[in-house]
Amino acid sequence: AQSVTQPDIHITVSEGASLELRCNYSYGATPYLFWYVQSPGQGLQLLLKYFSGDTLVQGIKGFEAEFKRSQSSFNLRKPSVHWSDAAEYFCAVGAGYGNKLVFGAGTILRVKS
Amino acid sequence: EAQVTQNPRYLITVTGKKLTVTCSQNMNHEYMSWYRQDPGLGLRQIYYSMNVEVTDKGDVPEGYKVSRKEKRNFPLILESPSPNQTSLYFCASSPTQGAGYEQYFGPGTRLTVT
Repeated sequence: AQSVTQPDIHITVSEGASLELRCNYSYGATPYLFWYVQSPGQGLQLLLKYFSGDTLVQGIKGFEAEFKRSQSSFNLRKPSVHWSDAAEYFCAVGAGYGNKLVFGAGTILRVKS
Repeated sequence: EAQVTQNPRYLITVTGKKLTVTCSQNMNHEYMSWYRQDPGLGLRQIYYSMNVEVTDKGDVPEGYKVSRKEKRNFPLILESPSPNQTSLYFCASSPTQGAGYEQYFGPGTRLTVT
């Protein structure tokens, strides 16, 4: 069965510092991978997605993610964090029939000034 | 504006009192889905629909019903809510069936069952 693990429940970074959020997945075939962001009281917004091809994917708001098949990972990165990036971040894998997304538990990002 | 809307956004109810959470999308999407979000568990799929009159169970369907009589609407029905259904609910839609298609999420409905 497909699964997604986000090892960090909370992460705190200083404004201007770099960020990496970890995501590991379990999926038998080539995965479709997504990162979503949820700001407080808001729905989920897609940051970026990986289907195939270039393993480094660029997204919105200056985020990028790198797909590493050998490590079953899809980590999210940003070179310089802004206070407005404080939110909860979800990694998800597309699980085939039914358009189901299997989500990780989420990582809450706090940004300190 | 292309969007998925949900109503109500917040709901407090009592055990056993039937309720419906509405979901509507204006993007002519074929596929719609309901998820619930619980702390430490992420989002889990409740039900999905591939098109009008076509629905199927997701991972956590117990205690829920859905219907898809029109393409744009996909209501979630709790016939006899219980406290363990207290959660944050999201409706989502995507253009068609396929694991690679982006899903568009509604703003969420926070349900409390006492």
